[in-house]
Amino acid sequence: GENVEQHPSTLSVQEGDSAVIKCTYSDSASNYFPWYKQELGKRPQLIIDIRSNVGEKKDQRIAVTLNKTAKHFSLHITETQPEDSAVYFCAASWFGGADGLTFGKGTHLIIQP
Amino acid sequence: DSGVTQTPKHLITATGQRVTLRCSPRSGDLSVYWYQQSLDQGLQFLIQYYNGEERAKGNILERFSAQQFPDLHSELNLSSLELGDSALYFCASSSSGLRDYEQYFGPGTRLTVT
Repeated sequence: GENVEQHPSTLSVQEGDSAVIKCTYSDSASNYFPWYKQELGKRPQLIIDIRSNVGEKKDQRIAVTLNKTAKHFSLHITETQPEDSAVYFCAASWFGGADGLTFGKGTHLIIQP
Repeated sequence: DSGVTQTPKHLITATGQRVTLRCSPRSGDLSVYWYQQSLDQGLQFLIQYYNGEERAKGNILERFSAQQFPDLHSELNLSSLELGDSALYFCASSSSGLRDYEQYFGPGTRLTVT
């Protein structure tokens, strides 16, 4: 089945700096890659997604890039703010028979004031 | 607020017991997905229902089962509970049964098995 690796597991950046979280996936048939933000004790919240026919997508301070050849995708957050502190999960949809999302292990993003 | 509701918020029960978790999808969404989140396993897909029918299975144990009712709400039944079943259980809904549509998560049910 699909396997999604996510790095780093913890990322600490100064407020105002940029943060980048990277994921790789194993199944070249995967075609949908969402990113979720989860605050402590809360639900995962979809923040941005990208489909395999697109190389980059941007929404204000958040952008996602996809490299299908290398099978990796990244989340970029610019001008980080304290409210960006959370755990971020990447995910991929797997064409192996299951329609659910396969998630990475998560990145704990810490914004230092 | 995603529009997906789950009850109860918290559940504490003993080993060997059976519990039922309930999920109501966003208005108009036909697909319901169930996920389990634990510290050691992360977020794992369990099962999907689309318009009342089982659509896909993930890492769901045989002791677990689910169904989706005509009004589209879904229930996840967990039986013969073990300590390792303690986790956060989320449902998510989507407007489509296709793999590349957005899934919106509910607030989750925290299950503690003692």
